[in-house]
Amino acid sequence: AQKITQTQPGMFVQEKEAVTLDCTYDTSDPSYGLFWYKQPSSGEMIFLIYQGSYDQQNATEGRYSLNFQKARKSANLVISASQLGDSAMYFCAMRGQSSGSARQLTFGSGTQLTVLP
Amino acid sequence: EPEVTQTPSHQVTQMGQEVILRCVPISNHLYFYWYRQILGQKVEFLVSFYNNEISEKSEIFDDQFSVERPDGSNFTLKIRSTKLEDSAMYFCASTRVTGSPNQPQHFGDGTRLSIL
Repeated sequence: AQKITQTQPGMFVQEKEAVTLDCTYDTSDPSYGLFWYKQPSSGEMIFLIYQGSYDQQNATEGRYSLNFQKARKSANLVISASQLGDSAMYFCAMRGQSSGSARQLTFGSGTQLTVLP
Repeated sequence: EPEVTQTPSHQVTQMGQEVILRCVPISNHLYFYWYRQILGQKVEFLVSFYNNEISEKSEIFDDQFSVERPDGSNFTLKIRSTKLEDSAMYFCASTRVTGSPNQPQHFGDGTRLSIL
């Protein structure tokens, strides 16, 4: 079984500051992928970034980067230079070999990020 | 950039009625999924679909639910006799291949289902 834990139900950050959203996971799969999605108040799910378990380098995508610490089973999302439009719910998710043959995603409970002007 | 599209964006239905939620996955994608998000809760997997049949399904996906790919583009989720607890946001997702666990799933904007 796979499990994703997001321990921060809510986070606040000042505009232009960096913020780290925590995600820890539990799996016995040797190969897996970790994903972050953004859900604005309008409800859609926007894919942000992913990290493969065998990737040597941490993933980066514009202002998003993933601080992947495999030994600690953590995959924290770092947002640099926060903008007001970053205010949203952020979900960490994973999929691996034990996700089923179709590799469905397992989601965490989410972190509500509020960017303050 | 290709998108997953879902219709309708909001569906209001009386309890006990049948409802069909529609999705058009990205055209070259092969795996399709339905997820559910009850208000304020995490996103939960319902069912996956590949090669015109269900690949995996969760405990939530009971006999009241069914999925279909009636033509080459649409992917539908049917709830036969809706219950109040079916009120949720329903997301369709697709991915091109699934051999590697690193392929992201692309989500539609969701259908908000409200059962009265």
